[in-house]
Amino acid sequence: GENVEQHPSTLSVQEGDSAVIKCTYSDSASNYFPWYKQELGKRPQLIIDIRSNVGEKKDQRIAVTLNKTAKHFSLHITETQPEDSAVYFCAASKVNNNDMRFGAGTRLTVKP
Amino acid sequence: NAGVTQTPKFRILKIGQSMTLQCTQDMNHNYMYWYRQDPGMGLKLIYYSVGAGITDKGEVPNGYNVSRSTTEDFPLRLELAAPSQTSVYFCASSSQKYTQYFGPGTRLTVL
Repeated sequence: GENVEQHPSTLSVQEGDSAVIKCTYSDSASNYFPWYKQELGKRPQLIIDIRSNVGEKKDQRIAVTLNKTAKHFSLHITETQPEDSAVYFCAASKVNNNDMRFGAGTRLTVKP
Repeated sequence: NAGVTQTPKFRILKIGQSMTLQCTQDMNHNYMYWYRQDPGMGLKLIYYSVGAGITDKGEVPNGYNVSRSTTEDFPLRLELAAPSQTSVYFCASSSQKYTQYFGPGTRLTVL
């Protein structure tokens, strides 16, 4: 089955700096890649997603890039703010398959 | 819309006890999912359903059962609780095969 690996497990940045989180996946048939943000004690919430027919997607300060050949995708957060501090999860799934696999998460800390 | 709701929020079980975790969504979503999240880890899919009367196993189904008699409800049943089932359980739903919306979670401890 699909295996998703996420790096780094923890990331600390200064407010205003950029943060990058990377994920790799094993199943070349995967074609949907969401990113979730989970604040302490809260539910995961979708922040951005990308499908395999697109190489990059941007939404204000966050962007996701996808390299299908290399089977990796990345989350980019620019101009980080303290409220960006949370755990971020990447995931991957296939068309007609509800078995979404998640990465282990990255704990992002933005220092004011 | 309340979205996805779960009850209870917290529960402590003794080994061997059984319980049902409730999940309800009011968004008329066909797809519903149950995940578990162990401390410091990602989410693992337990079971999912693509519509009333249809369920299927995910990555970690052992020790659990589900049913889907209505579009709105997707309960998760633990028959013989074990310490390995101590976790936070999240229910989610989606209107298509992609974007999933999560409930607030149920924190379960088995002692």
